[in-house]
Amino acid sequence: QQQVKQSPQSLIVQKGGISIINCAYENTAFDYFPWYQQFPGKGPALLIAIRPDVSEKKEGRFTISFNKSAKQFSLHIMDSQPGDSATYFCAASNRPYGAQKLVFGQGTRLTINP
Amino acid sequence: NAGVMQNPRHLVRRRGQEARLRCSPVKGHSHVYWYRQLPEEGLKFMVYLQKENIIDESGMPKERFSAEFPKEGPSILRIQQVVRGDSAAYFCASSTLAGTAQETQYFGPGTRLLVL
Repeated sequence: QQQVKQSPQSLIVQKGGISIINCAYENTAFDYFPWYQQFPGKGPALLIAIRPDVSEKKEGRFTISFNKSAKQFSLHIMDSQPGDSATYFCAASNRPYGAQKLVFGQGTRLTINP
Repeated sequence: NAGVMQNPRHLVRRRGQEARLRCSPVKGHSHVYWYRQLPEEGLKFMVYLQKENIIDESGMPKERFSAEFPKEGPSILRIQQVVRGDSAAYFCASSTLAGTAQETQYFGPGTRLLVL
């Protein structure tokens, strides 16, 4: 019940296309859903995050769509660029516990072809 | 990665040796988390510390692993008598305002441990 399932494992998109990565969770107590971007040899960096009181959040080319009833959320990268090539992790946590133990998905390796 | 420092970046140990991983949080942050990332997997929570206190160590193996965050100095993750299965990347994250809507975890670059 603590798992976050992420798909696909790898994704290849042409430059200018839309990259879509999906995550699903079981624990209905989760109330914070961030996405992290990780480049090889680096630590994860927060990209964008959403709380379940909204169904969509957009920051620049990055959009999170959230479906509370389906317990799913997704990351959309519009106008994908080669510099977006990285591994993307979704995560979830139950903030009211006071300790933000992030539960991570397995990761998606995104490659943007020029 | 807003200023979290980890060292060493790479660490090679032989089976049975001890590994000590250090993490200096962002200046002013008093909360530290440690995560482990096995190859081709996501990060797994290990332990959450505040200065001089372990708040939650539910993700840390009961034996051979310990963590501390002293009043002065970096947080230390110690692995005693390392085994090959300990080979992984260990990430530290720091935050302020823990448990609030404003909390954000900032990750360091990680320490890649290889056990021979």
